[in-house]
Amino acid sequence: DVKVTQSSRYLVKRTGEKVFLECVQDMDHENMFWYRQDPGLGLRLIYFSYDVKMKEKGDIPEGYSVSREKKERFSLILESASTNQTSMYLCATRQGWQFGYTFGSGTRLTVV
Amino acid sequence: QKEVEQNSGPLSVPEGAIASLNCTYSDRVSQSFFWYRQYSGKSPELIMSIYSNGDKEDGRFTAQLNKASQYVSLLIRDSQPSDSATYLCAVNTYNTGNQFYFGTGTSLTVIP
Repeated sequence: DVKVTQSSRYLVKRTGEKVFLECVQDMDHENMFWYRQDPGLGLRLIYFSYDVKMKEKGDIPEGYSVSREKKERFSLILESASTNQTSMYLCATRQGWQFGYTFGSGTRLTVV
Repeated sequence: QKEVEQNSGPLSVPEGAIASLNCTYSDRVSQSFFWYRQYSGKSPELIMSIYSNGDKEDGRFTAQLNKASQYVSLLIRDSQPSDSATYLCAVNTYNTGNQFYFGTGTSLTVIP
């Protein structure tokens, strides 16, 4: 089974801090995704990557950036955390179009 | 119009009954369809995928796809209290590559 590991389960940060969320997969999947999930809004795509050093904006990229220096690692960066970025952040990986996502366990980020 | 729509519920069924969850999507060229189960505070887990019109059965779960009417449904037979969760519908369209569109989910409660 594919394992997707997110470095932190819960995180509390202060407004204005730079925040790094890490995601590591143990399979050779090219496709990796970052979502945030909020009540009533569902899952919204922030950024995704098809390969090392490649990145594509999703539906809500503002205030975020990403880094993919190695195939197994996809990092989400909040350049200057704000309270409206308080959310559950989910990393996912996918083998190909006919396969579903495998999600990490999620990081619940609170910005105070 | 949202890409993927689900009735948010909550849907309540007695133990042993059939739970029926529905999802409609707007893009006619959508190709692959997935159902995820998400327990409170946890990340989504894949339970079913379907690509062709008709029914697909896996244990107590049956996914149904009707591309002409642009809907996909999930039936849960012999519902158990452990099925109580939020169920997310996800749709993949060829021209969006490996990106999914998710519905906001239907909350299901199975009453013992």
